Amino acid sequence: NAGVTQTPKFQVLKTGQSMTLQCAQDMNHEYMSWYRQDPGMGLRLIHYSVGAGITDQGEVPNGYNVSRSTTEDFPLRLLSAAPSQTSVYFCASTLDRDSGNTIYFGEGSWLTVV
Amino acid sequence: AQSVSQHNHHVILSEAASLELGCNYSYGGTVNLFWYVQYPGQHLQLLLKYFSGDPLVKGIKGFEAEFIKSKFSFNLRKPSVQWSDTAEYFCAVNGPGGSYIPTFGRGTSLIVHP
Repeated sequence: NAGVTQTPKFQVLKTGQSMTLQCAQDMNHEYMSWYRQDPGMGLRLIHYSVGAGITDQGEVPNGYNVSRSTTEDFPLRLLSAAPSQTSVYFCASTLDRDSGNTIYFGEGSWLTVV
Repeated sequence: AQSVSQHNHHVILSEAASLELGCNYSYGGTVNLFWYVQYPGQHLQLLLKYFSGDPLVKGIKGFEAEFIKSKFSFNLRKPSVQWSDTAEYFCAVNGPGGSYIPTFGRGTSLIVHP
């Protein structure tokens, strides 16, 4: 049981390049989400999904795209990287909407856009 | 939408001092409440959580938190901090008020001097 797995852990991109951050969980969780963490800003929600085939925007969705074709995978795509997207990205999952479910985090992806 | 406020952005303490970090949330209905810790260079780890029952919750490493519904608060406490508690602390809320995707506060950076 690996939990939430994110790849890559580190990435440097040039402005305008595109890339995909991968996130997979093996706990059969319905809810998955992507956050970015910036100094003094805490964790801000980018996109989330409440089940396969269902995605929605969070607080800071611009410049990012997601899809949820399977329960396990929730990739985050940067369409045209900008320096403002330099950040640490965390994928998270939680079981379902019932009370009492803990949020599980991946180990983070450090992205630098130059 | 839910919001979470952490009032102390930076806290500096000496070892053995007592700690209290404030957290307030906006939604008045049933919520799940969490405190997460992020040690330097690492991902978020769960310290403690409240779902129902006893409003005084005990977590790992000697931390505890008290849920006060009338004040919409979930403050984190530790009677005697250690140098190893140096980290960033995040309060989070999920529940039916917005969605079951958790909302995080901006975090509190704690530095403990030996």
